[in-house]
Amino acid sequence: QLQLQESGPGLAKPSETLSLTCTVSGGSIRSDSYYWGWIRQPPGKGLEWIGSIFYSGHTYYNPSLKSRVTVYVDTSKKQVSLKLTSVTAADTAVYYCARHSTVYNWFGPWGQGTLVTVSS
Amino acid sequence: SYELTQPPSVSVSPGQTASITCSGDKLGEKYASWYQQKPGQSPVLIIYQDTKRPSGIPERFSGSSSGNTATLTISGTQAMDEADYYCQTWDSSTELFGGGTKLTVL
Repeated sequence: QLQLQESGPGLAKPSETLSLTCTVSGGSIRSDSYYWGWIRQPPGKGLEWIGSIFYSGHTYYNPSLKSRVTVYVDTSKKQVSLKLTSVTAADTAVYYCARHSTVYNWFGPWGQGTLVTVSS
Repeated sequence: SYELTQPPSVSVSPGQTASITCSGDKLGEKYASWYQQKPGQSPVLIIYQDTKRPSGIPERFSGSSSGNTATLTISGTQAMDEADYYCQTWDSSTELFGGGTKLTVL
């Protein structure tokens, strides 16, 4: 079945760029029915959508993060990547990737998540 | 900006019915989804399009939506249902999550 796996450094320094990759397996990343989304969850807090991308490269982002976020896709590698610039301690969170329905806007399945800590 | 409001916590006795609400302006005119998250685990989609259950989700989970409120109902609540629950919708090109509700099965 479809699986998503996040990967990347678990530590980022303040003011630097956080970079993560989500690898999709068990299904096609080239689907007209789905976007691929990034969601984060600070320790002990709720979920926050970061942004989503279609396999064609079309993106849309959370307005609160838009100035610092880039999401891009590599269909040949079946990977979706996230870059978040100028990070601060407030960006410390578990970062999830998830398949994102284009029509009804639900997310599922989700990857296992990866914790990124922003600290000097 | 659009917001979704959930009660921080709900308690229920085993075997009873738990209801978790999610409030937002004219939420009934949008589609709501619900997610279950157990400690240390990723969220799992349990309701989408207000009322539909993905395959593999037990029938005791159901959803409804009307007016400004979407509701997740768990019938015959089991100890394994103790978790955080989040609602989610879409507004003005933004995906939004509620703040989450911790369900305690006493």
